[in-house]
Parts: sequence; structure tokens; C-alpha cells
Amino acid sequence: SQQGEEDPQALSIQEGENATMNCSYKTSINNLQWYRQNSGRGLVHLILIRSNEREKHSGRLRVTLDTSKKSSSLLITASRAADTASYFCGLYNNNDMRFGAGTRLTVKP
Amino acid sequence: EADIYQTPRYLVIGTGKKITLECSQTMGHDKMYWYQQDPGMELHLIHYSYGVNSTEKGDLSSESTVSRIRTEHFPLTLESARPSHTSQYLCASSELGSGRSTGELFFGEGSRLTVL
Repeated sequence: SQQGEEDPQALSIQEGENATMNCSYKTSINNLQWYRQNSGRGLVHLILIRSNEREKHSGRLRVTLDTSKKSSSLLITASRAADTASYFCGLYNNNDMRFGAGTRLTVKP
Repeated sequence: EADIYQTPRYLVIGTGKKITLECSQTMGHDKMYWYQQDPGMELHLIHYSYGVNSTEKGDLSSESTVSRIRTEHFPLTLESARPSHTSQYLCASSELGSGRSTGELFFGEGSRLTVL
């Protein structure tokens, strides 16, 4: 079964800066989803992009998907200290969901 | 806010004890999952279920077992806990895939298990 590979593994930025994290995968997907996890908690769904879409926006989040390169990126604009968390890409295909290893984002106030 | 609940949130037990981690959801979801996650690390799928009386093993071999007697309930059991079982266990649920289903997962808050 496939899992996503996220990079970077860790990212540290100042408040107000943009944060970009990437996810690459190897097989087919129906959609790709991004989740956030605060330390010691469960994952929370952020945004979904279908395989026939190239870009989605939701508030300060922007997701792109390039199915020819099998990669996606999540951009968080104007980051805040409260955005500090781990971010995971979820690869959904035919009732099967797999996650990458995640990117740990630290936003310094 | 997700309607999926895990108990206990924290559990510290001695080696050899039997434990059951509870997971319940009120969304009527058919598919449920158990993931194992060490702090700051990736999620490993250890069990999943498509519905009542369905249980499947995930990618990561686990000595735990699961049952699905009711749609809303998906407990995980360790017959004899060992220190190597120390980890966080996350339960999730989703609609079963159909034309409109996106497969979005709803997670509980997790059960952090420490085996001494």
C-alpha cells in the first residue's frame, strides 16, 4: 500500500511568514486530503482536493495538486503561532486512506 | 466538531495486563480505523472495518485485536500488554466510499498507552 512522503520533515518560521509543505505519492488517488494534528491530539481535516482539480483555497490555506508529478503542496499564508502543529497528507483511493509521515510546523511569535 | 470518542485518554498499566481501548462514533459511519502513532511520528494503520462483523488487519502488524458488533463501536484489545505496546492509538471513522463520498476521516482524541 502506498503512503505519501512529506517534505520538509520540520519547518520553523516567524509569525506572518508563509509556510509551504509538500506531499509526493506513487500510485493513483481519488483525492488528496490535508490534516492537522496538535500535539497529543487527533487529526483534524483541513482541506480536500480531488484528482481532477489543480488548486483549492480555504481561508489562509491553498492546496495544489499535480497528478502528472504525483505531488501536492499546502500553503499556509500569514502564519500565526496557533498554526504550530503537524500536518499530514492523506491519500484516498477506493475506500483506502493512507498518510504520510507529516511535516512539523513551528511558528514563532 | 467530530462525534467520535475514545476512552481512556491516558492509561498506565503493568506488563501482562489485558486492556481494551474504546472507540464510539455517533455519525453512522460504516468504516472505522485504528492507527498507532509514536510521538511526532507517522500514523500506522493497524486495523480497519467496513461495517458490522467486518474486521481487517492494516499495514502494521499488531498483537491487538478488534471487534465490530455494533456500527458505532470499534474497541481494540490487547490480551497481554508489553512495554513495546507503549504508544498513542487513534481511532477514526468515515463514510463508506460511494460516488459522493470523499473518504474524509474523523478522528478521536486518541488514547495514550504506557506499559511499564
